Parts: sequence; C-alpha cells; structure tokens
Amino acid sequence: DIQMTQSPSSLSASVGDRVTITCQASQDISNYLNWYQQKPGKAPKLLIYDASNLETGVPSRFSGSGSGTDFTFTISSLQPEDIATYYCQQYDNLPTFGQGTRLEIK
Amino acid sequence: EDQLLESGGGLVQPGGSLRLSCAASGFTFSSYAMNWVRQAPGKGLEWVSAIGGRGTGIYYADSVKGRFTISRDNSKNTLYLQMNSLRVEDTAVYYCAKPRGGYLHDAFDIWGQGTMVTVSS
Repeated sequence: DIQMTQSPSSLSASVGDRVTITCQASQDISNYLNWYQQKPGKAPKLLIYDASNLETGVPSRFSGSGSGTDFTFTISSLQPEDIATYYCQQYDNLPTFGQGTRLEIK
Repeated sequence: EDQLLESGGGLVQPGGSLRLSCAASGFTFSSYAMNWVRQAPGKGLEWVSAIGGRGTGIYYADSVKGRFTISRDNSKNTLYLQMNSLRVEDTAVYYCAKPRGGYLHDAFDIWGQGTMVTVSS
C-alpha cells in the first residue's frame, strides 16, 4: 500500500492568514492526489483533484500543487467557514488517505 | 443533481452480519465505478472497497478482505456492502462515494450522508 504522510496534524491560524498543509507519498504517485474538506458530522467534500485542479464551485482561495511524492495544499486567506479537517488522498493505486489536518481559528 | 443515500446501518454483535445499501440518483449509475469509505469515531478516512461499473473489477482493503462483499444492481441504481464476521474495529460511519470521472481510480466527487455501523456486545 502507498502510505500518505500529512502534516501538520493540527493547525491554528487567524482569519486572513495563509495556511499550508503538506502531504508526502511513500512512492511516486505522479499527480494522482486529491484534497478533501470535512466538517464535523458531514461527509467529505472534494476541493482539489489531480493535485492542482479546483473542483467546480470551490472558492479560488483554495489551491494545490506538487507531483511525484510531495504535495501542498494552500488556503490563501483563511475564512471562518474554512474551519474543518482536511485530508489528502492518492489514487495511483488502491486509494489511501492522509491522517488529516484539523484546522482551527486562533 | 447527483445524489447518494446510504441505509442499513445499525447495532450488531461481534461476529454478526449487516448489509448496507447505497441508492444513487442523478447520474448514469452503470457508467460509474463505486466505492465504500469508512470513518471510525474520531478517526480518519479509510477506503474499504470498490467495484467497476459493470460489476467487474472488485477490490478490497486488506482489513476487510474475506469478510466483506461489494456488489451492485444497476437495474436498481443501488450499491451494496455485505459485511460478515464483523469486529469491534469495524465500528464506523460508512460512506458510499462516486468517482469524478467514473473510473476505479479517481477522485470522489459525490458522497452519501453516511450510515453508522456499531459492532458491540
């Protein structure tokens, strides 16, 4: 199985801050990497697919980059409604998720 | 609008069985592979199983292989997960998830609301 190492596991930031989350794959996964947002009690929501493509309807403050083994997810200006847990997921092989990053407002 | 609606969760004793269903609407169900993903209380997401659009190409996570069976009925637009020999560690919310482009290996763009499975004596 391909292991996904996501960091940090939790993050506290202020409204308007730039927030960055990283995800590292245990082997080369090309650009087969997605990012999800999950709010408490809700199903995950797809934000970014194929490492850098913004899903339809997702605000442009969200972005993703990377290829191979190292990936980055960025919120350019944190909004109160962005409080959630974020997961990366690879699909080069059978899908695996990162451990998640819990984002809180400072 | 694409929608998925899971049902069938509940409380079951260790060693017991349960069958989950996921009713799909708003898209051509038979053209899409489908997946089950679970989330234990307070934990992260774990992919469980996938099935191709025609019912071929079936895959399982090692943690459920030999105990769970995924299937689908394209005439009813419904996905199933038969869970046997359930263990306490199978306790989780189970989501069905649709792949964005329909492929077995893809991003999941539509998720159901989830159904809770509790395995406890």
